[in-house]
Amino acid sequence: DTGVSQDPRHKITKRGQNVTFRCDPISEHNRLYWYRQTLGQGPEFLTYFQNEAQLEKSRLLSDRFSAERPKGSFSTLEIQRTEQGDSAMYLCASSLGADYNEQFFGPGTRLTVL
Amino acid sequence: GQNIDQPTEMTATEGAIVQINCTYQTSGFNGLFWYQQHAGEAPTFLSYNVLDGLEEKGRFSSFLSRSKGYSYLLLKELQMKDSASYLCAVIMTNAGKSTFGDGTTLTVKP
Repeated sequence: DTGVSQDPRHKITKRGQNVTFRCDPISEHNRLYWYRQTLGQGPEFLTYFQNEAQLEKSRLLSDRFSAERPKGSFSTLEIQRTEQGDSAMYLCASSLGADYNEQFFGPGTRLTVL
Repeated sequence: GQNIDQPTEMTATEGAIVQINCTYQTSGFNGLFWYQQHAGEAPTFLSYNVLDGLEEKGRFSSFLSRSKGYSYLLLKELQMKDSASYLCAVIMTNAGKSTFGDGTTLTVKP
């Protein structure tokens, strides 16, 4: 499968715990995006990378969220001290870049914070 | 802030044509996408408009008017499998930062 993959697909955690999600983009794509989506809402931008550089982070995102893309390939999104309000679907997308802005989405990681 | 408006819900009959509208007010504009999202699944790409006018792709067409901040997605010959949420998204920067609407849930009835 050459699409975007995410791991895990589901995560249940207790409030206060840390969680980390992984995204593997399409191999030749140099742009990678993280979104959060809750029921009945569209995807909400969190952050994006051009290769290994994190170019922008949403002002809505607290300091408990951090993302990395150390080698310009896969990316991780970490949430520290999770809160019940963090429960959502976390989507990763990648795009080729330059004039090709179409974003290909992964299946998402559904986080439930108890 | 960024603002994208779409109707929350629409209903149409199998075989018919439906038009889903999207209006936007954003700080930048580098193109507009339409995505389809079935319940519990990730969004999948449908169409992309960067210039004014109509883009046709099989049963799906998308229209853009940049001066009016307006787009629509036209679905023809509706099928039951077209029941899904349709997301309008504006690409605001050259790097692809995008803002999504909350989606229009389309229900296709026999």
